[in-house]
Amino acid sequence: GAGVSQSPSNKVTEKGKDVELRCDPISGHTALYWYRQSLGQGLEFLIYFQGNSAPDKSGLPSDRFSAERTGGSVSTLTIQRTQQEDSAVYLCASSLAGTKGYNEQFFGPGTRLTVL
Amino acid sequence: RKEVEQDPGPFNVPEGATVAFNCTYSNSASQSFFWYRQDCRKEPKLLMSVYSSGNEDGRFTAQLNRASQYISLLIRDSKLSDSATYLCVVNRGSYIPTFGRGTSLIVHP
Repeated sequence: GAGVSQSPSNKVTEKGKDVELRCDPISGHTALYWYRQSLGQGLEFLIYFQGNSAPDKSGLPSDRFSAERTGGSVSTLTIQRTQQEDSAVYLCASSLAGTKGYNEQFFGPGTRLTVL
Repeated sequence: RKEVEQDPGPFNVPEGATVAFNCTYSNSASQSFFWYRQDCRKEPKLLMSVYSSGNEDGRFTAQLNRASQYISLLIRDSKLSDSATYLCVVNRGSYIPTFGRGTSLIVHP
């Protein structure tokens, strides 16, 4: 079956521009996560969605970052006025949110963002 | 102290060797534990869950030591294809896991 997809796969933008990253989770997965990973670094949690609501936005690094999810499916991560330090791979993951908490996450291939 | 800590390595081993990684966690309330594998410039993928009783999947064995608050991953008879970064994941019973920064393994001929 189809896995998690993300678009674009690569994005090069100029400092100060806005960018929008898209994630299509696995059908039926109610939980959706955004992470970013800088070169040689670990995964940095950004935001978690349960359905369309985001109970935890604690990882968003600044108010330039926002995310939404519609129809319990597609999610977009928007970065306004991009800065060079925003350059990273942005990973999306989805999972079945069961009653026992965390379940296996399935990751998309990521969007590699480069801010010039 | 970081919530989840791993030795970044790299662990450089010959084919056929046995190699083990540890991952320590700081929160004693942690409930579930996992190992993910991440190949270079790829997304992480679940390798195996870690159960209290320990579990084995082919050449891979995972163990949990709650008293000392660490989990381990043992790889026997290493293959070139095992070269990757191994991420430790710990969850405190919420929907948000904590990822370690990963341990790099390089298996050479």
